[in-house]
Amino acid sequence: DTAVSQTPKYLVTQMGNDKSIKCEQNLGHDTMYWYKQDSKKFLKIMFSYNNKELIINETVPNRFSPKSPDKAHLNLHINSLELGDSAVYFCASSREGLNTEAFFGQGTRLTVV
Amino acid sequence: AQSVTQPDIHITVSEGASLELRCNYSYGATPYLFWYVQSPGQGLQLLLKYFSGDTLVQGIKGFEAEFKRSQSSFNLRKPSVHWSDAAEYFCAFSGTYKYIFGTGTRLKVLA
Repeated sequence: DTAVSQTPKYLVTQMGNDKSIKCEQNLGHDTMYWYKQDSKKFLKIMFSYNNKELIINETVPNRFSPKSPDKAHLNLHINSLELGDSAVYFCASSREGLNTEAFFGQGTRLTVV
Repeated sequence: AQSVTQPDIHITVSEGASLELRCNYSYGATPYLFWYVQSPGQGLQLLLKYFSGDTLVQGIKGFEAEFKRSQSSFNLRKPSVHWSDAAEYFCAFSGTYKYIFGTGTRLKVLA
């Protein structure tokens, strides 16, 4: 029973298209995140949500729009995809607070051609 | 600024040898620290965490890490590396509604 699940695992699409990545967690956590991992493996926070409310938007272009329909889901929609959007996107969740670890999904490898 | 530094981008060790991966942090208070491992094509798995108390923490897969406040370090160690330990290792700490990661250390294990 997967704790944090993302779909799809792989996504290949053309420039200019719009795509979505879905994320669900069954851990009962209040806080969810999107991270971007670039080709050098660097992990950068994009968004964090707590109880469905956007808390952090780390200077991400407006083409990226997260949506949290409920505490267990955090989806990421990307408009007008660009070559530079190619990366691995990770969803994660945690309890609220500093003294708690994050649980990560398996990642979505997005390739824009 | 809050940051995590992993000075070694790549490390190669022989199977059975000991391992130490370095991590230094910059944070205004006592941080909550983590080590994660990422196998190829996989997500991040928590190896261990330090919140308070004993500065030597034990994790899964035989890993341990030691928190040294005076050196702002949280180095990861393993006495004897197995071929299956080859992966990317990330040090991180928790900030307000985010986790801040180091750039990672790629571990290669020679048979």
